[in-house]
Amino acid sequence: DTAVSQTPKYLVTQMGNDKSIKCEQNLGHDTMYWYKQDSKKFLKIMFSYNNKELIINETVPNRFSPKSPDKAHLNLHINSLELGDSAVYFCASSHRGRNNEQFFGPGTRLTVL
Amino acid sequence: AQKITQTQPGMFVQEKEAVTLDCTYDTSDPSYGLFWYKQPSSGEMIFLIYQGSYDQQNATEGRYSLNFQKARKSANLVISASQLGDSAMYFCAMREGQRGSYIPTFGRGTSLIVHP
Repeated sequence: DTAVSQTPKYLVTQMGNDKSIKCEQNLGHDTMYWYKQDSKKFLKIMFSYNNKELIINETVPNRFSPKSPDKAHLNLHINSLELGDSAVYFCASSHRGRNNEQFFGPGTRLTVL
Repeated sequence: AQKITQTQPGMFVQEKEAVTLDCTYDTSDPSYGLFWYKQPSSGEMIFLIYQGSYDQQNATEGRYSLNFQKARKSANLVISASQLGDSAMYFCAMREGQRGSYIPTFGRGTSLIVHP
């Protein structure tokens, strides 16, 4: 009965590859997010989707693209991976109209070699 | 300018004592929310407490309380009776705007170590 799940938990890949990280929430939330946490623990929002509409897009490279097939899923696609993409990526969800408490997934540790 | 400032990169506290983790914020939006999250060494992000900008009372959740001083734009987290399991990174975060347009910003975090 995991609330927010991400797969895979660990992802090791070569520079230049394309990879995806999947996220699913079973909380009935209508807003989902992707965050990047760097090696210094700084947490920065990348994307947010509300009702299938992108409402926040911080200045991330266009190699990153979120895909939301439905309200319960927000996948992150990364093209042409670079060394600097190595980080922990967190998915989160929240409910519009509440106090916007975010529930986070367990994180995906991406290592680009 | 940073929207959320956590000035304490690291804090130490003795078990069973109280500790205050500082957080100041910067916003011109009259409607905002303030959050604290805990990130233990295992990596997950755990929601602790929330304070709305219009809330009159300071938020409390068990051993956690939020010392909200609106005029000073501070939202310090107070942990009472510290436990060894409280050792973790603590992040202050702010949501600006109406509830339907959450724009989350996180501080850089404070590493708390609880000594036995």
